[in-house]
Amino acid sequence: DVKVTQSSRYLVKRTGEKVFLECVQDMDHENMFWYRQDPGLGLRLIYFSYDVKMKEKGDIPEGYSVSREKKERFSLILESASTNQTSMYLCALLDKAHGYTFGSGTRLTVV
Amino acid sequence: QKEVEQDPGPLSVPEGAIVSLNCTYSNSAFQYFMWYRQYSRKGPELLMYTYSSGNKEDGRFTAQVDKSSKYISLFIRDSQPSDSATYLCAMTDDKIIFGKGTRLHILP
Repeated sequence: DVKVTQSSRYLVKRTGEKVFLECVQDMDHENMFWYRQDPGLGLRLIYFSYDVKMKEKGDIPEGYSVSREKKERFSLILESASTNQTSMYLCALLDKAHGYTFGSGTRLTVV
Repeated sequence: QKEVEQDPGPLSVPEGAIVSLNCTYSNSAFQYFMWYRQYSRKGPELLMYTYSSGNKEDGRFTAQVDKSSKYISLFIRDSQPSDSATYLCAMTDDKIIFGKGTRLHILP
């Protein structure tokens, strides 16, 4: 089975900090995604990547950036964390056989 | 009109009941339809996917697509407390669109 690992389940960061959320896959999939999930708003796409060093903005990229230096790792970066970025962050990858596979999520609290 | 509409619930039903979860959509170009189950503090996991209109059954779960009405359903038979979760519908043309999810509680 495809496995998507997010390095942290829970994070607490201070306003203004630079935050790195890591996502690692164990297969050679090209398509990886970062979403945030908030009550009443559902899943919203932040950024996605179709290959190494390639990135595309999703629906809500403001305040975020991403890095894909290796195929297996897709990182989400909060340049200067703010309280409105408190959320559940979900990494996902897409393959034709299994559709979207999500990681377990990182619950980030910015104080 | 939103692309995908899904009642947020919560929906509470007694154990053993048949559960019906639904989504409506507006984009007739959607071709693949999926249901995800998300337990509390976990990521969504793919439950079922279908292509085109019709029914697909997997154990206690049946996914139904009615393209003419732009309506999809997930039925759960003999519901169990372990089915308590949030269920998200999703559909794709060239990108995937998720519903906001319905919270389901199965009461023992």
